[in-house]
Amino acid sequence: ETGVTQTPRHLVMGMTNKKSLKCEQHLGHNAMYWYKQSAKKPLELMFVYSLEERVENNSVPSRFSPECPNSSHLFLHLHTLQPEDSALYLCASSRSRNTEAFFGQGTRLTVV
Amino acid sequence: AQTVTQSQPEMSVQEAETVTLSCTYDTSESDYYLFWYKQPPSRQMILVIRQEAYKQQNATENRFSVNFQKAAKSFSLKISDSQLGDAAMYFCVINNAGNMLTFGGGTRLMVKP
Repeated sequence: ETGVTQTPRHLVMGMTNKKSLKCEQHLGHNAMYWYKQSAKKPLELMFVYSLEERVENNSVPSRFSPECPNSSHLFLHLHTLQPEDSALYLCASSRSRNTEAFFGQGTRLTVV
Repeated sequence: AQTVTQSQPEMSVQEAETVTLSCTYDTSESDYYLFWYKQPPSRQMILVIRQEAYKQQNATENRFSVNFQKAAKSFSLKISDSQLGDAAMYFCVINNAGNMLTFGGGTRLMVKP
């Protein structure tokens, strides 16, 4: 148990659905991240929220929309996804860049 | 931009033996941090060891140690006395300014009993 909790653990959704992934940490960390982990590809950083400022990977499609209402919670809103978006989505948090990131157990997303 | 390269997609080691996983990286920054993470089949990403780039001394954590060669931009992980529980994907990671973690492609380590 790392202190970072992700829900749900598994999600199957159709291409026309709208769903949200949730991440929660009560470690007092200042930065939270969304990563995408696909088979045979390096982990891809999607979004970073650091001290309430968002940094994003410009290659992430607009069908992924993050929300960080406070320093403890992070959401990833999903809409009109494609089958290639099926992957493991990992949330992480860290206190600062010179400390390690703590990861949640991930949400296994399948788009049908 | 920064990149991390792990040239060994898979490695295997006999239980109780020693194995070294390779990692090279590229960054334009002089101040950064390096990590090795482990991801077992449970999918939980777990920190194994960390190294500050400004420190010359190699980090060690029990059976895990690194060989950090800053000039060569190399950061290998040595696992001594390998155990069955060490079987996992291992990721080499660099963290630069702005809290941007960049991961290598990973090395799958198999431990043979």
